[in-house]
Parts: sequence; structure tokens; C-alpha cells
Amino acid sequence: KNEVEQSPQNLTAQEGEFITINCSYSVGISALHWLQQHPGGGIVSLFMLSSGKKKHGRLIATINIQEKHSSLHITASHPRDSAVYICAVKGGSHYGGATNKLIFGTGTLLAVQP
Amino acid sequence: DAGVIQSPRHEVTEMGQEVTLRCKPISGHNSLFWYRQTMMRGLELLIYFNNNVPIDDSGMPEDRFSAKMPNASFSTLKIQPSEPRDSAVYFCASRTSGRSEQFFGPGTRLTVL
Repeated sequence: KNEVEQSPQNLTAQEGEFITINCSYSVGISALHWLQQHPGGGIVSLFMLSSGKKKHGRLIATINIQEKHSSLHITASHPRDSAVYICAVKGGSHYGGATNKLIFGTGTLLAVQP
Repeated sequence: DAGVIQSPRHEVTEMGQEVTLRCKPISGHNSLFWYRQTMMRGLELLIYFNNNVPIDDSGMPEDRFSAKMPNASFSTLKIQPSEPRDSAVYFCASRTSGRSEQFFGPGTRLTVL
């Protein structure tokens, strides 16, 4: 079982829909990242969370440390949101001592159709 | 700011050849990460450096892989000899101490025939 699980693996939405991508992890963490990878391959960091909720434009990320779960929401989705969204966790100080390591989920491929 | 620079962007080589991938981190960043991305395994950390010193190379798949960071502005990832299963996109990322956000380079797409 992967230490970081994302769901769904693939998601197709119509323009304007509200989208939720989920990430669950099984290890202690100090931070959780949401990354976006566009079809051209470039990777962009969207959020870094250690608690609570963050918002940037139409994107909202939440994390529940007790439940070891995070969600990425996209409001009023647009075709340009089409990308792979990757959840990555940074291990806590008790995780193997390598606190700078990021452990990645397998990604969610989002396609927003006009 | 030019961001993280990687070269080459694409590399096609034959099995058994030596491959060298290059990375220039963002100026002032003191941590550098090498990742590999494949369809089967997604993104994986290969090695990371803090202040030019390798900290964790447990992700390096085998002795054919080696990485160096001779100074704060340059790092290489070398594969010798290369094999078809090394075909992947290799990303370099950097960050500054005290910040968790990593900035990724555009990646090098390696194809080993």
C-alpha cells in the first residue's frame, strides 16, 4: 500500500463544476504539498499546508491532521485547470530522520471540458 | 529570476552510454533535489543536497547512478551505463532553508534505446 493515496485517479468535469481531489496518507508528516503538472510537464507548487485551510484564487486546500487527509478544491473549473494534481507529504521528524524528503502520491489527472 | 534551469531538455541515447543531466538551482537556494518521474512509479526522490552536501541518497536506484554538487550553483546526475529502464523525466528542484516550498525545473526527458 502506498504511503500517499490520491483519489480519484482520473476526473473529467464540465467547465464551471466544483472539483474535489482527495489525498490520504499513512505516515506522520510535518507538511503536505499540492503540486500541479501541466501537459507540457512543468511542475508548479500550489500549496504547502501543515494545518487548516489555504485559498488562492479559485483553489482551496484543506488538511485534517487527525484524519491524515487533505483535499484540493477547484471552484468554477475551467479548461485551463486541466492538469495532473499531485499530493506530496514531507515526513515528520520521526519519519526516518530524513525530514526533507517528499513522498508523492500517484497524481490525479483532471480534464475540464468546455 | 530564471528559475531552476535544467539541461538538456531532451536526451536520446543508446543503452550502455553515459548520460549526464545538469541542474542550476535558483540563486540563494541551499537545498537541491533530484527526482525521477515514470508512468509506473510517478515521482520519486533520488537524492537531495543541503549546502552542496548529499544528505539522503537512498532513492538512487543503483550504483550506475551518481550525483554531485561541486558548488552552490551547479549539480549533475550521471547514469553510467544507461539502460532502457532508466527512461524517464528527471526533475531538479531547489528551495531555500526555512521554507518548505520547492521550485521545480522543467525536467529532462531521457530516452534510452
